[in-house]
Amino acid sequence: AQSVTQLDSHVSVSEGTPVLLRCNYSSSYSPSLFWYVQHPNKGLQLLLKYTSAATLVKGINGFEAEFKKSETSFHLTKPSAHMSDAAEYFCVVSVANSGYALNFGKGTSLLVTP
Amino acid sequence: EPEVTQTPSHQVTQMGQEVILRCVPISNHLYFYWYRQILGQKVEFLVSFYNNEISEKSEIFDDQFSVERPDGSNFTLKIRSTKLEDSAMYFCASSAGQGIGHTQYFGPGTRLTVL
Repeated sequence: AQSVTQLDSHVSVSEGTPVLLRCNYSSSYSPSLFWYVQHPNKGLQLLLKYTSAATLVKGINGFEAEFKKSETSFHLTKPSAHMSDAAEYFCVVSVANSGYALNFGKGTSLLVTP
Repeated sequence: EPEVTQTPSHQVTQMGQEVILRCVPISNHLYFYWYRQILGQKVEFLVSFYNNEISEKSEIFDDQFSVERPDGSNFTLKIRSTKLEDSAMYFCASSAGQGIGHTQYFGPGTRLTVL
């Protein structure tokens, strides 16, 4: 079965400091992995996706993620946090043998303090 | 930029009543999905729909649920007889294709409260 585990339910950083949101995946196939963000009272917005091309994936708003097969990880990073980055972040795997339905992690709530 | 829209944003209903949640996918997309998120839990897949048929469904999607594309633009989720445990945020999504490289774009969600 294909699944993801987000290792932290809450992360707090100061504005201007680096962000690291951790995600490990489990997959029998070559996975398609995504990070989505959900701001309060908003829908789910795609940040970036990995689809077996470059292992370092750049997304919107300065976020990037690196696919590491040896570590089965797909951690999300940003060099410098902004107040507007405060949101819920979801690591997601596409399940190839279930019509590519998305399997979500439980989410990491990012708090950015001044 | 085209986006998925959903109506209503909030729906309150009595247990046992039928509800219909509506979605307008991105216009050139062919695959449609419903997900739900119970408060405090993760987002869960309900169903996918292509070519006027259900292509995949989860264990959650039992006989009380149905989906329909009644016209060329709307995609609906019907819950026939709502239960308290159906209270959740329901997200619609659409994609141009299916498989590696295709992105599902989500709507803002409908918050369903069953009393």
